[in-house]
Amino acid sequence: AQTVTQSQPEMSVQEAETVTLSCTYDTSESNYYLFWYKQPPSRQMILVIRQEAYKQQNATENRFSVNFQKAAKSFSLKISDSQLGDTAMYFCAFMSGDTGNQFYFGTGTSLTVIP
Amino acid sequence: DVKVTQSSRYLVKRTGEKVFLECVQDMDHENMFWYRQDPGLGLRLIYFSYDVKMKEKGDIPEGYSVSREKKERFSLILESASTNQTSMYLCASITSGAIGGDEQYFGPGTRLTVT
Repeated sequence: AQTVTQSQPEMSVQEAETVTLSCTYDTSESNYYLFWYKQPPSRQMILVIRQEAYKQQNATENRFSVNFQKAAKSFSLKISDSQLGDTAMYFCAFMSGDTGNQFYFGTGTSLTVIP
Repeated sequence: DVKVTQSSRYLVKRTGEKVFLECVQDMDHENMFWYRQDPGLGLRLIYFSYDVKMKEKGDIPEGYSVSREKKERFSLILESASTNQTSMYLCASITSGAIGGDEQYFGPGTRLTVT
């Protein structure tokens, strides 16, 4: 089975600053997808960004970008110009490109943006 | 927009009661999932279903069962609720053949308290 590790249970950042959330994973597969999900307080889980393992280029979505290091099996999320609305629980997730459908989630990082 | 809805946001039940949690999605997704979310443990898969009347055990199926009589609806059943099943329950769905890295869409969650 795949494992996903998030080693930072809690983090905080000043508004307008940059913060990086860490994620590592373990797999023997070469074809897979990685995701970052955001769960705001008392709100629905939504997708932030995804990365295909076969792509060398790091994914970017507005203020959110990833640093994907395939050899190191590392997938960190960088949030630039942090906003109060970024306060949330963030989950890293892995999906096999061969078997598909089933996701493996990390334990989450609780991010607080301080005004 | 994809919509995944869950029957209750908050639920309080007594030990020994039979509990039904319902999830409905409107995107004609083949695959549906039930997760349990606990602090420090992330999301753990209870059961998933890849078609009507089909189900597969996840990582923590003990004490739970599921039902999928219609494609859009996936029910989680606690046959005899216990206090250690107090948790947040999340439903998710994804289209079949998600080899392309499609995201899972989540419901808002049901916070269940068993007293």
